[in-house]
Amino acid sequence: AQRVTQPEKLLSVFKGAPVELKCNYSYSGSPELFWYVQYSRQRLQLLLRHISRESIKGFTADLNKGETSFHLKKPFAQEEDSAMYYCALTGSSNTGKLIFGQGTTLQVKP
Amino acid sequence: DAMVIQNPRYQVTQFGKPVTLSCSQTLNHNVMYWYQQKSSQAPKLLFHYYDKDFNNEADTPDNFQSRRPNTSFCFLDIRSPGLGDAAMYLCATSRGGGRNTEAFFGQGTRLTVV
Repeated sequence: AQRVTQPEKLLSVFKGAPVELKCNYSYSGSPELFWYVQYSRQRLQLLLRHISRESIKGFTADLNKGETSFHLKKPFAQEEDSAMYYCALTGSSNTGKLIFGQGTTLQVKP
Repeated sequence: DAMVIQNPRYQVTQFGKPVTLSCSQTLNHNVMYWYQQKSSQAPKLLFHYYDKDFNNEADTPDNFQSRRPNTSFCFLDIRSPGLGDAAMYLCATSRGGGRNTEAFFGQGTRLTVV
């Protein structure tokens, strides 16, 4: 079955602390992985995708096919990083339809 | 400069009374999606249009229908809303043409069924 699992509903850290939001997936083929973010009162938007291998707002994510994971990391959290983060994948379809995890709320305390 | 616009933001409907949610886009994207998100759950795809081609997810109830009269607009029709249909409904668009395409979301319509 195709599934994305984010085990933590809430992650609370202090400003300046490292952050790791966990994401594991189950997919029989070769998926593409994404992180989407939703800041307070804003729409869901793309943060980064694994194929780009980029760092966005200091966040990075590495696809580990052996562990079927795509954890999101940032070495030093900022208060403005507080948001809901969703891990998602697309499968073999070319239509870009997304399978989402349940989301993790990141709370960065001052 | 909103690119994907959903109306209304909040919709209250009566049990069993048909309701329509609307979505428009200024991006000229090929693909439009409707996701349902219940409280504390992952957004779940209901269906999508690739241009005029409609694609229903296997587990989407028959109670949910969609129309796309042109590139810019897409509607979600719930024929007989039940209490279990109360949720946030998210519209999204993408250029299509690949698995890595970014999706652009509207702000959602929160549906309440009374």
